[in-house]
Amino acid sequence: SQTIHQWPATLVQPVGSPLSLECTVEGTSNPNLYWYRQAAGRGLQLLFYSIGIGQISSEVPQNLSASRPQDRQFILSSKKLLLSDSGFYLCAWSGMGISPLHFGNGTRLTVT
Amino acid sequence: TQLLEQSPQFLSIQEGENLTVYCNSSSVFSSLQWYRQEPGEGPVLLVTVVTGGEVKKLKRLTFQFGDARKDSSLHITAAQPGDTGLYLCAGANSGYALNFGKGTSLLVTP
Repeated sequence: SQTIHQWPATLVQPVGSPLSLECTVEGTSNPNLYWYRQAAGRGLQLLFYSIGIGQISSEVPQNLSASRPQDRQFILSSKKLLLSDSGFYLCAWSGMGISPLHFGNGTRLTVT
Repeated sequence: TQLLEQSPQFLSIQEGENLTVYCNSSSVFSSLQWYRQEPGEGPVLLVTVVTGGEVKKLKRLTFQFGDARKDSSLHITAAQPGDTGLYLCAGANSGYALNFGKGTSLLVTP
């Protein structure tokens, strides 16, 4: 069966510090991978998605970046965090076509 | 961006009551998905509806996709405290990404 791992679960970082959140998927090949941000338990904002290694699409201009160094690994990064980067970050994967999203358990990021 | 409006935003009811939440858009979607999210966790898929007018039942939950594939509803019969959570609808089209609504936060008290 497929599983998705996302870590860390919580993170507190000062303004201006770097960020690296990692997500890995097991039990499937060539998944579509996604990073979403959720503010205050509300709707999900798509940040990045990837349909293959090295292929990253950005949905929202920001100081965040994403990379996919391996087929089932998706990394969200920032060189310098802003206060507004605080939120709940969710990684997800899907198969081809009209395929549901399978989410990780998220990372609660607080920028102080 | 194709916007999905969910209503109501918040709903607090007592155990045993029925409720309906709505997901509306001016855009047509090829499919629509409903997710439930509990605090501190990622959303979990409940159902996918694809055909206009389609009705799907999942125990006490009934999902309907509008005839024009622009809207959907979720009806819960005899709500239980375990139904508490954030209900999110998400529309799919020709792209790779889903468009999510802002969700309906449901609280069912014993």
